[in-house]
Amino acid sequence: EAGVAQSPRYKIIEKRQSVAFWCNPISGHATLYWYQQILGQGPKLLIQFQNNGVVDDSQLPKDRFSAERLKGVDSTLKIQPAKLEDSAVYLCASSLSAGSDGYTFGSGTRLTVV
Amino acid sequence: SQQGEEDPQALSIQEGENATMNCSYKTSINNLQWYRQNSGRGLVHLILIRSNEREKHSGRLRVTLDTSKKSSSLLITASRAADTASYFCATAGSGYALNFGKGTSLLVTP
Repeated sequence: EAGVAQSPRYKIIEKRQSVAFWCNPISGHATLYWYQQILGQGPKLLIQFQNNGVVDDSQLPKDRFSAERLKGVDSTLKIQPAKLEDSAVYLCASSLSAGSDGYTFGSGTRLTVV
Repeated sequence: SQQGEEDPQALSIQEGENATMNCSYKTSINNLQWYRQNSGRGLVHLILIRSNEREKHSGRLRVTLDTSKKSSSLLITASRAADTASYFCATAGSGYALNFGKGTSLLVTP
């Protein structure tokens, strides 16, 4: 089966610019997650979707980050405006349902804000 | 917030030796999972252990879970150079979203 697809692979932007990341989960996976991984740290959950509804966005900096999952399939994560501290790898993951065996992660988008 | 804490932060062993990594967490869980991450790549799911299980095996991996101590361990037997990676424990609570620790960096030298 195809894995979780993410694009772009790399992105370099200046601070205060905006950026968007795209994720296509495994077909049939109802649950989708976005994680932020800063260098040297473990991934931190930003948002969890169940189909096209938000389950948990408590750690999403809503003043600058937004995410949507239209039609319960693809998802986009946007940052506007970006700050230097947003430099990180943004990982998308999906699972059949919350609590199912293991999550499948994409390769991530490495964002550098200069 | 990060739930798990792995120990040690870094581990260096020779091929053929066993590697043991520990994870402690703070709140009740539904399951605990271990992931591997090679440099610059996404995370790969290794094994999941549910809160009512105490031990689980998968190939050269052995995971234990002690919910009374809120701790887990991952044992990799007969390590290979290809096992060099960062290993993360992740806990799933009521919402099942994973909370990751900071990871253990494992180096296996030939």
